[in-house]
Amino acid sequence: EVQLVESGGGLVQPGGSLRLSCSASGFTFSKYWMNWVRQAPGKGLEWVANIKQDGSAKDYVDSVNGRFTISRDNAKNSLYLQMNGLRAEDTAVYYCARDDYRLLGLPDSWGQGTLVTVSS
Amino acid sequence: ETVLTQSPATLSLSPGERATLSCRASQSVSNYLAWYQQKPGQAPRLLIYDISNRATGIPARFSGSGSGTDFTLTISSLEPEDFAVYYCQQRSKRPFTFGPGTKVDIK
Repeated sequence: EVQLVESGGGLVQPGGSLRLSCSASGFTFSKYWMNWVRQAPGKGLEWVANIKQDGSAKDYVDSVNGRFTISRDNAKNSLYLQMNGLRAEDTAVYYCARDDYRLLGLPDSWGQGTLVTVSS
Repeated sequence: ETVLTQSPATLSLSPGERATLSCRASQSVSNYLAWYQQKPGQAPRLLIYDISNRATGIPARFSGSGSGTDFTLTISSLEPEDFAVYYCQQRSKRPFTFGPGTKVDIK
């Protein structure tokens, strides 16, 4: 069974940093593109970033480009999101999501999310 | 950025009724259009990909159609567990984007 478990969320002040982690199990992590998708309270879904199987390609939504860094450690079956320069508008539940094996950009399995709150 | 617009924002129906949800893209997304279901406090669940393909384990009462910029998700007969928010998503052009959602609630 595919499992994705996020951790690292919490309360942080504007301008601060946070590192999210996602632990994957139940599938061969190194064979899949992985994503971070977020959802502000009471709002819709926003794709944040994705990373290729070997980490050689990464992409970001414009609003986080230059502030957030996605990375992965295939030996540890883990995905990360380093978030710097946090703003109030980054407040959201952050989901780790696996892409379909064949279809880039189609998250087919999701974690339960971790809440990030940016507030003074 | 490809903007997705969903209508209606809210759909109030009774169990057993047919639900028709729309998604319109600001430019062609070819066939790279998916639908997700999300219930309160839960992660999204993939329902339909590439316009009309049901994901693994999705009941046949869910179907997708459309082309280019206009797409439809149909639930043929609503079950109690289908009352939720539905999002369309495109993966044709980066950044991958989601629509704002349609809430299907009980009338």
